[in-house]
Amino acid sequence: DTAVSQTPKYLVTQMGNDKSIKCEQNLGHDTMYWYKQDSKKFLKIMFSYNNKELIINETVPNRFSPKSPDKAHLNLHINSLELGDSAVYFCASSQGGVGEQYFGPGTRLTVT
Amino acid sequence: RKEVEQDPGPFNVPEGATVAFNCTYSNSASQSFFWYRQDCRKEPKLLMSVYSSGNEDGRFTAQLNRASQYISLLIRDSKLSDSATYLCVVTYTGGFKTIFGAGTRLFVKA
Repeated sequence: DTAVSQTPKYLVTQMGNDKSIKCEQNLGHDTMYWYKQDSKKFLKIMFSYNNKELIINETVPNRFSPKSPDKAHLNLHINSLELGDSAVYFCASSQGGVGEQYFGPGTRLTVT
Repeated sequence: RKEVEQDPGPFNVPEGATVAFNCTYSNSASQSFFWYRQDCRKEPKLLMSVYSSGNEDGRFTAQLNRASQYISLLIRDSKLSDSATYLCVVTYTGGFKTIFGAGTRLFVKA
């Protein structure tokens, strides 16, 4: 059983399109996160959700809209994609905010 | 100044060597500390949590100095399989804000 899963694994799209990435965790955790890892491999937090409530929004452009329909899911919708959005996006979950985070396999987004 | 800074690396060491990684953090309100490992094109995975009292897990030893805002990781008897990027991680704001260092790349060679 995959603890944290993301779909799709790869996403290639053109500038200006809108796309979504889905994340699901079966660990029973109450906290989920989205991270962006850019071409320099720097991993930066984008959003944290606890019990479906947004806790952290790290000055991400409002073209990025997370949505947590329940504690096990955290989706990321991106509008009007730009070249600079090309990166690997990781979803993660933890119990509370201070424990180990379990990461999904990542979604490699390429914007052309 | 970056919130979490690590040795830039890369570190190239022979098998069996001992290697030490250093990390400093700037926010004194930081609450939890970890080392994660990331293999090429894979997701980060927890290596170990870091406590002020120091903690050891087999060949790995982690240490936290809150006064100096400094975290370290020591790997003894390096194996080829230790080759990876090691990420220093700090959390605060009740743990919901997580800051990753830029990572230190380790290459262990036969």
